[in-house]
This record gives sequence, structure tokens and C-alpha cells, in this order.
Amino acid sequence: SAVISQKPSRDICQRGTSLTIQCQVDSQVTMMFWYRQQPGQSLTLIATANQGSEATYESGFVIDKFPISRPNLTFSTLTVSNMSPEDSSIYLCSVARGTEPYEQYFGPGTRLTVT
Amino acid sequence: GQNIDQPTEMTATEGAIVQINCTYQTSGFNGLFWYQQHAGEAPTFLSYNVLDGLEEKGRFSSFLSRSKGYSYLLLKELQMKDSASYLCAPMDSNYQLIWGAGTKLIIKP
Repeated sequence: SAVISQKPSRDICQRGTSLTIQCQVDSQVTMMFWYRQQPGQSLTLIATANQGSEATYESGFVIDKFPISRPNLTFSTLTVSNMSPEDSSIYLCSVARGTEPYEQYFGPGTRLTVT
Repeated sequence: GQNIDQPTEMTATEGAIVQINCTYQTSGFNGLFWYQQHAGEAPTFLSYNVLDGLEEKGRFSSFLSRSKGYSYLLLKELQMKDSASYLCAPMDSNYQLIWGAGTKLIIKP
């Protein structure tokens, strides 16, 4: 498994501002993902963070709203831009080594509240 | 389309056995994962099945039938700390995990 940390663990932000969430892994990993989870609901994949190239976004998520960086194999950031109360959620990063069995390991999450 | 079906909530007694069922439909298949998620925490990996049959790991076992699109997670000797949500997540042909809403398991003394 991998040890994953996320910063911040929680934040309360004003509408219209932006927040950058950091994800740090203790070893090099091939794949990094960003998810969103509303209370009591399933995980929704926002994007796959690709090292050295643009992230791959899922339907309903766009780069202008959720810019992602991945400068190396152990670090990624997700920015939630121009926030609205609908962005209040838990944001999780996860990693996978890219080899069987492809299990993903999750960071502790960032609890975001937008007022 | 891709779909996961699990019971929303189950209740069981401490020390007993519980089976959480999952049926799925995916575009292609590259295995199925079970995760445990305690309230307010991130999911943690429990098991992975890619071939038909039963995989046992301590008190937890997971079963897969690819032809039926069916899996279950079996928890034995239930403990209060097993109260959590259990997420069934098949992997599709693009190696992407498909997540359902999970089954909330409540353990009573």
C-alpha cells in the first residue's frame, strides 16, 4: 500500500474564491485520481491526473473549474475554482500503481464547505 | 450503461455473520473490488476478485461470479468496529472503477 496525505484536511471558504488541495504520496505511483463524495453518496471521479500532461476529465467536469497539476510521480494538486455552495463536498485523491490488481489507495480527504 | 446494485442498509448482531450482495453491469470487466468506508473517513481496500470463486482473508471473504455479474462480501464474527459502509466497485475495460452508493452495515450488540 501507499501512504497518502492531503492538505488541507478541511476548510470553510467564501463563495467565488478558489481552494487548492494538495495530495502527497510516499512513493512513486503511476496513476493518481481525484474524486468527490457527497455525504451518503457514491464516489464520483473528477479526473485522472497524468504526470507531465493534461489531466483527463470525466463528463461533467472541466479544466477551468477544476484545474489539476501533477508535476511528478508523488504529488498532485486539485483547485476548486470560483466556488459555490454546490461545491461543498469531500474531495479525495487516490493512487494506483498501474499494475495488477490495480487497487486504489485513498488519501484521508479534504472536507470543503462553501458559504 | 454501467450499474451497481447493493442493498442500501443492513443490520446484524455482534458475533454473527453477514453477507452483502452486489450485482453489476459494466462495459468490460477487469476485476471487482470491495472497500470499507467508516463515516467521515476515506475508503480502505478490502479485497479484489478477478476470477470466479471465493477469496478468503481473515474474517472477510469475497466471492465472484462473472457470468452472473454477481459478487458478495462475507463478514464473520462481526465486531462493533465493522459498522461502516461497504462499497462494491467493479473495474471496467478502461481500468476505471465504477462505484455504487455502498451498503451501510449497522452492528448491534
